[in-house]
Amino acid sequence: RKEVEQDPGPFNVPEGATVAFNCTYSNSASQSFFWYRQDCRKEPKLLMSVYSSGNEDGRFTAQLNRASQYISLLIRDSKLSDSATYLCVVSGGFKTIFGAGTRLFVKA
Amino acid sequence: SQTIHQWPATLVQPVGSPLSLECTVEGTSNPNLYWYRQAAGRGLQLLFYSVGIGQISSEVPQNLSASRPQDRQFILSSKKLLLSDSGFYLCAWSGGQGASEAFFGQGTRLTVV
Repeated sequence: RKEVEQDPGPFNVPEGATVAFNCTYSNSASQSFFWYRQDCRKEPKLLMSVYSSGNEDGRFTAQLNRASQYISLLIRDSKLSDSATYLCVVSGGFKTIFGAGTRLFVKA
Repeated sequence: SQTIHQWPATLVQPVGSPLSLECTVEGTSNPNLYWYRQAAGRGLQLLFYSVGIGQISSEVPQNLSASRPQDRQFILSSKKLLLSDSGFYLCAWSGGQGASEAFFGQGTRLTVV
């Protein structure tokens, strides 16, 4: 079993749609959780951290379920500029593990 | 502020040739350092991580090696490249014990021909 698993997609959605990405992790001792965004042929960049209580940043909402070892990202009112690969990231101890990413295409 | 430098940006190397990619971090001390590889259309694969000078942990057996000769320098090497070594190599750093986000260099796009 992979340490961090994501649906690779791609997700093809129209502008204005709401889309949700899920991620599961295997190490119950994991301490920190993030969502990163990676544009084509670029390095990943932090989108948002994920807190146990859930957190929101504009159109983006992240949630963590430690009991189920599950992380989610919800994007509301999708924009063309949201097209990218979204990486689920789990950190524990000294290791930071990235999921393989979920590709999102937002169409006009 | 902290910055991470990685070079070169692109590299084309023949099969069997050696490789050396360098990464340096500025503005922080004792960072955790990482090398990742991303094959075309694939996710990030953790290759090596280091928590201190001379301390290297390998995640995937392969013909690559890593070294950390100085606190803020991380080097990825190979004695003989394979075609399958082609990919996008990313160096990253983080601070603390899994408590903070990872920051990436701009990556090296390696093509082995």
